[in-house]
Amino acid sequence: AQRVTQPEKLLSVFKGAPVELKCNYSYSGSPELFWYVQYSRQRLQLLLRHISRESIKGFTADLNKGETSFHLKKPFAQEEDSAMYYCALRGRGSTLGRLYFGRGTQLTVWP
Amino acid sequence: ETGVTQSPTHLIKTRGQQVTLRCSSQSGHNTVSWYQQALGQGPQFIFQYYREEENGRGNFPPRFSGLQFPNYSSELNVNALELDDSALYLCASSLPTGDYGYTFGSGTRLTVV
Repeated sequence: AQRVTQPEKLLSVFKGAPVELKCNYSYSGSPELFWYVQYSRQRLQLLLRHISRESIKGFTADLNKGETSFHLKKPFAQEEDSAMYYCALRGRGSTLGRLYFGRGTQLTVWP
Repeated sequence: ETGVTQSPTHLIKTRGQQVTLRCSSQSGHNTVSWYQQALGQGPQFIFQYYREEENGRGNFPPRFSGLQFPNYSSELNVNALELDDSALYLCASSLPTGDYGYTFGSGTRLTVV
């Protein structure tokens, strides 16, 4: 069964510190992984997807199939990074088109 | 280009009642998915509609049903409301496979008392 686990419900760092939001998944097959972000009073929006191999707002995430992880990292956190972050997996085959979300990690960056 | 619009934004219903939530999809998107987000949890897939038919369903009982209209807008209907149905209901529009991403609405906050 598909499952996305975000072990940290809350994460706090100071501005300028590195930040890593953890995400582990279980999926039988080749998954497609995403990070979504929700800033205060805004809608859920895509931050990045693993197939793009891009850096958005200084964030990167590498898919590690051996460890079934897709951790989100940023070397120097900014106050405007404070938000709720969701890791998500997109199903394939019969579950194509569905997103499976983790419970989310609330990141707070202190000044 | 218009985004995804959901209505109403907030709703309070009594246990046992029925509710209809509405969603208009982003221009160019022909697929609509609905998600339930309980407090402190991530969104959970309810079902998806493509070409006016249900095209995939999550682990939700039959009292959760939907419709999609020719203009790709959609409705989520919930019958016999239960207290546990209290949640934020999110609509997302996309192309059928989800390629090129999903656009989410702001959600409808449903409270069942």
